[in-house]
Formats: sequence, structure tokens, C-alpha cells
Amino acid sequence: DSGVTQTPKHLITATGQRVTLRCSPRSGDLSVYWYQQSLDQGLQFLIQYYNGEERAKGNILERFSAQQFPDLHSELNLSSLELGDSALYFCASSAGPGFHQPQHFGDGTRLSIL
Amino acid sequence: GENVEQHPSTLSVQEGDSAVIKCTYSDSASNYFPWYKQELGKGPQLIIDIRSNVGEKKDQRIAVTLNKTAKHFSLHITETQPEDSAVYFCAASIQGAQKLVFGQGTRLTINP
Repeated sequence: DSGVTQTPKHLITATGQRVTLRCSPRSGDLSVYWYQQSLDQGLQFLIQYYNGEERAKGNILERFSAQQFPDLHSELNLSSLELGDSALYFCASSAGPGFHQPQHFGDGTRLSIL
Repeated sequence: GENVEQHPSTLSVQEGDSAVIKCTYSDSASNYFPWYKQELGKGPQLIIDIRSNVGEKKDQRIAVTLNKTAKHFSLHITETQPEDSAVYFCAASIQGAQKLVFGQGTRLTINP
């Protein structure tokens, strides 16, 4: 058990809809990272927050947004969903702001767009 | 560049034998190289990592070697066991983009 909690485990919705994925980092970790894992693209970094502030941005679409709250949990919002957004979404956390330190992953949210 | 190439994509070995997975990276400024193991239905689990000031690191049956000149690093698993069966990912830090870039993964199967 990594200590990173993601909810929900599965999400099924339709094109055009909006969903919110939630992540609670390991106790004591201040950084949260979001990744997308699909069969053809592998693990792709989306965005990082550190202590409530956006720290780094990767291949995140404009339809996607995230935030980190004062209690350090984070939410990833996906809107105007398309079939191609079907994927596993992982959250990871680390102690500090640097991306070159151990990141611990949750078990992901499987998003299926019908 | 931001590429991390990982080989092979699939690997099948007999229980007790060794397994080696190789990755190459393109960013000469990369200085952190973690390896992750992902089991079915689970998230990636960090199993070992190495920094650019070290050439080799070992943890029980797992070892990682790094060749900065050639820009490649490898995962070595000795005395493989059925529970080692999983997908393994390498990653490299990309300084300019402030992120980790992952390889495409290796599906390792240990045959009893």
C-alpha cells in the first residue's frame, strides 16, 4: 500500500460530460502529480502541485484542470469528455517540490467514455 | 529531447534465471532514474532508483546500473520468482520540463 488514495476506482460516463477525480497524498507529502496512462501513450505527466500551488505542467489538455486544496488533497477535473480520454488516471505524491525524488502512486481511476 | 526508450517490450524467463531490462534517454541533463513495477489493477510501485552521481545500486535481488556517457541504464533482477511477473517501467528526469518521462514498459513473465 503506497498510502496514496484515489477515488473513484472506476468511472463510466458519456462524451461531452464532466468528471472529477480525487486524490489524497501520503501523509506528510506536499507534492501531488497527475498522470494519464493509455495503451498507446504509456504514462504521460499531466500536472504537478506543491503545497497548493501549480508547480509544473505537462501534456495537459485545456479541457482538463486540477487544483490542490489546503488539506493537500487534489482534484483533477476533466470536461467536454471525448472517447480518446478513456484511460487510467494516476495520482502520485512526493515529499518535496522536486520532480527528481521518489514519487509514490495510487491505484488509479479507470475512466471509460461511452 | 524528452525520449526514453525501453527494451524489450516483452520478456519471458525461467524461474530462477536473471532478467535484464534496458532504457536509453536523450536528455544529457537527466540526473534521476527510477524504476517502477506495475501489477494488474495496481498503480506503479517504486522498486529502485539511481542518481547520476552513482554508477550502480543494489537492493537484494534487484540492481540498477547507469552509464551516463552512453545515456543508458538497466534493471537487473536475479533469481527471478513468479511474483516478479509484472510490467516494469523506467523513467528519467527531464530538467527543462521539470518532469519524469517514462519508457513504454516491459511485460516480464516468469515461467515456473
